[in-house]
Amino acid sequence: GAVVSQHPSRVICKSGTSVKIECRSLDFQATTMFWYRQFPKKSLMLMATSNEGSKATYEQGVEKDKFLINHASLTLSTLTVTSAHPEDSSFYICSARDGTGWRGSYNEQFFGPGTRLTVL
Amino acid sequence: QKEVEQNSGPLSVPEGAIASLNCTYSDRGSQSFFWYRQYSGKSPELIMSIYSNGDKEDGRFTAQLNKASQYVSLLIRDSQPSDSATYLCAVKWGNEKLTFGTGTRLTIIP
Repeated sequence: GAVVSQHPSRVICKSGTSVKIECRSLDFQATTMFWYRQFPKKSLMLMATSNEGSKATYEQGVEKDKFLINHASLTLSTLTVTSAHPEDSSFYICSARDGTGWRGSYNEQFFGPGTRLTVL
Repeated sequence: QKEVEQNSGPLSVPEGAIASLNCTYSDRGSQSFFWYRQYSGKSPELIMSIYSNGDKEDGRFTAQLNKASQYVSLLIRDSQPSDSATYLCAVKWGNEKLTFGTGTRLTIIP
């Protein structure tokens, strides 16, 4: 199946620092990548949709200046949490969609393993 | 507001029995339907996708779609303890983003 990786898998940082999370599609070209956040025992909340080479589209209520997204290539998107605070502690998950559709469906999204962020 | 509804559970099923998970959605224009499995502390894993009315089988899993009733289900035959997880229903309208349900927590009892 399609493989999406994320790095780091876990990060602990001090309040006020910035954290960068990388999302890579390893065996396919991801024209679109999605960033989600999940709090304990809650469902996934979409934060933003990122298309290669263009600005990300943020969901209502998500601060674009706080959560910086870059999708510079067909295999890499990054999420930077700027000036992180304890309330930003969460499980951040990216997903990618195969833009070529060679896997049989353009619609399927494949998730990375997630990054658990803890802000002290 | 497009909504996807699932019973949060927990749903307990004896090992070897059939587990039945249900999902309803609000918008008749929905075109794509997905079931994801999520183990505790892990990210979702795609199990099934279904696009047309009827049944779609893959191993022990069968997805069922009824667009007239705006209903999609997932059946797991011969349930195993390793099937214990939260199952997320997701619906897509056209080329838009996925909308997820809140998930059903399934426990298979040995």
